Amino acid sequence: GQNIDQPTEMTATEGAIVQINCTYQTSGFNGLFWYQQHAGEAPTFLSYNVLDGLEEKGRFSSFLSRSKGYSYLLLKELQMKDSASYLCAVRRTNAGKSTFGDGTTLTVKP
Amino acid sequence: GAVVSQHPSRVICKSGTSVKIECRSLDFQATTMFWYRQFPKQSLMLMATSNEGSKATYEQGVEKDKFLINHASLTLSTLTVTSAHPEDSSLYICSAPLPSDMKETQYFGPGTRLLVL
Repeated sequence: GQNIDQPTEMTATEGAIVQINCTYQTSGFNGLFWYQQHAGEAPTFLSYNVLDGLEEKGRFSSFLSRSKGYSYLLLKELQMKDSASYLCAVRRTNAGKSTFGDGTTLTVKP
Repeated sequence: GAVVSQHPSRVICKSGTSVKIECRSLDFQATTMFWYRQFPKQSLMLMATSNEGSKATYEQGVEKDKFLINHASLTLSTLTVTSAHPEDSSLYICSAPLPSDMKETQYFGPGTRLLVL
């Protein structure tokens, strides 16, 4: 079966750093995505990792360890607008089929 | 950037009726589109893969006769929920990968919120 685990909820303070972890066990691995989803809206792409290591893009960074089935999304200099659900998704096939985790709801407080 | 649209954005229908949801890629061609369902406070669950020119492939547990998918052209896929029931009430989201994007990032539509009374 497919299994992707993320914490359900996290809270952090504006200006701080937060790390959202994701562990996965899937049949097939062809890349790991992180998406941001605000309430009532569609997910938007944040990052993509297919090789081990850290990918940095502005305030957001994503890390992957394929041997450990582990990824994290790092958000720096948190802003209030970063309050959203963050979805970890594993693309299982070349055809693009992905399995999503349940998402982590991040609340940023002043 | 790539844009995917859905129509309608919201629909309310009576139990037993059928509802058609359209998914369009606005500035690129999509031979493949994906249909997801998302219940409140839950993640996206892949329902089926829509393939232009061939039959859709459904995930385990998804009734193909209830959720009819037609990939009419390279820019349009439709999902028809037949004989809808209250338990079908959900947010239905489509996505399409951008062919020229090596990462094959999926671009999501804004979703269609279905409420069956």
